[in-house]
Amino acid sequence: AQSVTQLDSQVPVFEEAPVELRCNYSSSVSVYLFWYVQYPNQGLQLLLKYLSGSTLVESINGFEAEFNKSQTSFHLRKPSVHISDTAEYFCAVPQEGTYKYIFGTGTRLKVLA
Amino acid sequence: DTGVSQNPRHKITKRGQNVTFRCDPISEHNRLYWYRQTLGQGPEFLTYFQNEAQLEKSRLLSDRFSAERPKGSFSTLEIQRTEQGDSAMYLCASGGDNQPQHFGDGTRLSIL
Repeated sequence: AQSVTQLDSQVPVFEEAPVELRCNYSSSVSVYLFWYVQYPNQGLQLLLKYLSGSTLVESINGFEAEFNKSQTSFHLRKPSVHISDTAEYFCAVPQEGTYKYIFGTGTRLKVLA
Repeated sequence: DTGVSQNPRHKITKRGQNVTFRCDPISEHNRLYWYRQTLGQGPEFLTYFQNEAQLEKSRLLSDRFSAERPKGSFSTLEIQRTEQGDSAMYLCASGGDNQPQHFGDGTRLSIL
C-alpha cells in the first residue's frame, strides 16, 4: 500500500529565510503528488500538483516542489517566506487503484518575525 | 466557481445524539469524498461517491456512520449515537477526471 512520510512535524523559520518541507512517498506505479496548505479553522487548499511532465512545479505564491523519482520525494521549497505562510502543509498521493488520497501527518510551518 | 461548501461549520452536541452534516460539491465534479481529521493528523479517508454511487467505505466508518448522495449532487454524512471519539473535523472534497480534489472548510464536531 502507498504511504506518505513527512518527517518534520514542525519547522520554525525566520521571515525572508528559505524553507524546505520534506515529503517522501512509496509507490510502485505512476505517481500523482499534491501539496495542500491548511490555515487555522479552514479546510485544505491545493498548493501544488504533479501529474506528469516537468518535474518542477510552481505555485502562484512562490512555492515550488520537485518530483524526484529515484529518491521517491516531492519536497516543497520557498526561497523567502512571509509571516502569512504560517500554516500546516500536507503532502498527498492517490491510493493505487482508487481515487482516494493518502495524506502525510503534516508539517506545521511557523514563520517568525 | 463557488467551491465546496459544508454546513454547519461547527456542531456541538451531547454524547448519544445524532448529527448530520451536509456537503455541496463543485457542480461539475462527479466524485465526492468524506475525510476525518483529528488534531495533529492529516485527513483520513472515510468514503467516496461517484455520482450517486458509494464506491468505497473505510473501515473507520462504523455502523453508526452513514453517507448518502441521493441525486449525485450534495451529500450528507450522519453519525448516530455520537461518542467522544467522534470529535473531529469532517472534511468534504470533490473532484473529477484528471482534477485534483478540492476541499471545503469542514465541519468541526465537538461531543460533550
